[in-house]
This record gives sequence, structure tokens and C-alpha cells, in this order.
Amino acid sequence: EVQLVESGGGLVKPGGSLRLSCAASGFTFSSYSMNWVRQAPGKGLEWVSSISSSSSYIYYADSVKGRFTISRDNAKNSLYLQMNSLRAEDTAVYYCARDLILREVVVIDYWGQGTLVTVSS
Amino acid sequence: DIQMTQSPSSLSASVGDRVTITCRASQSISSYLNWYQQKPGKAPKLLIYAASSLQSGVPSRFSGSGSGTDFTLTISSLQPEDFATYYCQQSYSTPRTFGQGTRLEIK
Repeated sequence: EVQLVESGGGLVKPGGSLRLSCAASGFTFSSYSMNWVRQAPGKGLEWVSSISSSSSYIYYADSVKGRFTISRDNAKNSLYLQMNSLRAEDTAVYYCARDLILREVVVIDYWGQGTLVTVSS
Repeated sequence: DIQMTQSPSSLSASVGDRVTITCRASQSISSYLNWYQQKPGKAPKLLIYAASSLQSGVPSRFSGSGSGTDFTLTISSLQPEDFATYYCQQSYSTPRTFGQGTRLEIK
């Protein structure tokens, strides 16, 4: 069974840093691209960042570029998101999510349960 | 960036109704369009990919259509478990943007 379990969320002051982790199991982690997707309270989904299976390709939303860093450790079956210079508008549930290609289209087929990040003084 | 616009933003319907949700892209995305369902407090679930292909395990009352810039998600006969928020997402280019969501409520 595919499982994605996020951790590392919490309350942080504006300007602070936080590192999110996602532990993957039930599939060959090193074969899949992975993502972070967030959802502000009561709002819609926002794709944040993605990383290819070997970390060769990394992409960020403009809203986090230069502040967030995605990384992975395939030996540990883990995905990370280092978040620096946090702002109130970064407050959200952060989901770890797996990419899959179906009929040449990239989809997100598995999501974690999410971890809440709250940026507030 | 490609903007995705869903309509309506919210919708009230009854069990057994046929419901259609629309998603429009700001430029052509061919068939690189996916639909997700999200229930309160839960992670999203993939329903439809490549505009019209049903994800494994998803009931056949869900269907998708469209290409280019205009897409629709149709639920042929609403069931109680279908009341949720629905999102479209384009995977034509990065950033892979989502629509703002359509909240489907019980009338």
C-alpha cells in the first residue's frame, strides 16, 4: 500500500524557517517524481514545487521561488521542503504528493494526509 | 502561467441530479487536464485524467470531456458521497495550476 506521511509542520514566526519531511513507503520511491502542494485554510489547491526521480529537474511556483528548496533522499525514501523567510501567506496545509504518467499526462495519484504550517507572530 | 477558471464556484443539487462543472484554460492545453475530488479534511482524489479517462476505481457516473481550452466534468446521477469540492488541474506546463474549485452542496 502506498503511504506518504508528512511531518515537520507547526507554528513559526514571520521570517522564520521550517523543514517539512515526507516519508514514503509501499512503492519504489526512487522511480517517481514528487511534489509539494499546499492549501491555505478555506482556500483552493496550489502546486508549490516538484522534483524528478533523480533530482535532475526541480521546479517552483513563483510565490515560493528563492525561499523554498525541495530535495529528496532516495536511500531514505524521503522528500523534503526547506522553507525560509516564511510569510503569513505561506500558512497552509502542505501535502506531499506522487506523480504518475497516465496516457502521457502527468497526474498526482497519491497524496499524504498533509501537515499544517502556520506563520504568525 | 496558464490560468484555470472553474464555473460555477458553488452549486447546490439533489441526490439523483445530473451535474456539470466547467473548467476553462487561459490558453490551449490539448487534453492535459485532470479532475480531483476533495472532501473536507481529506486529501484530494484523482477522478479523471487526460480530460476524459476515468481513473481506476472511480464510479462510471463520473465523466469528463473537452480539449483545447474548454472542459467539463459531469456526474450523471449524484450520490450522497459525491458532495465535495472539485478541482481541475492542467498538466500541460509548469506551474501545474489548479482551478479555484467548485463546491458541490446538497440542496
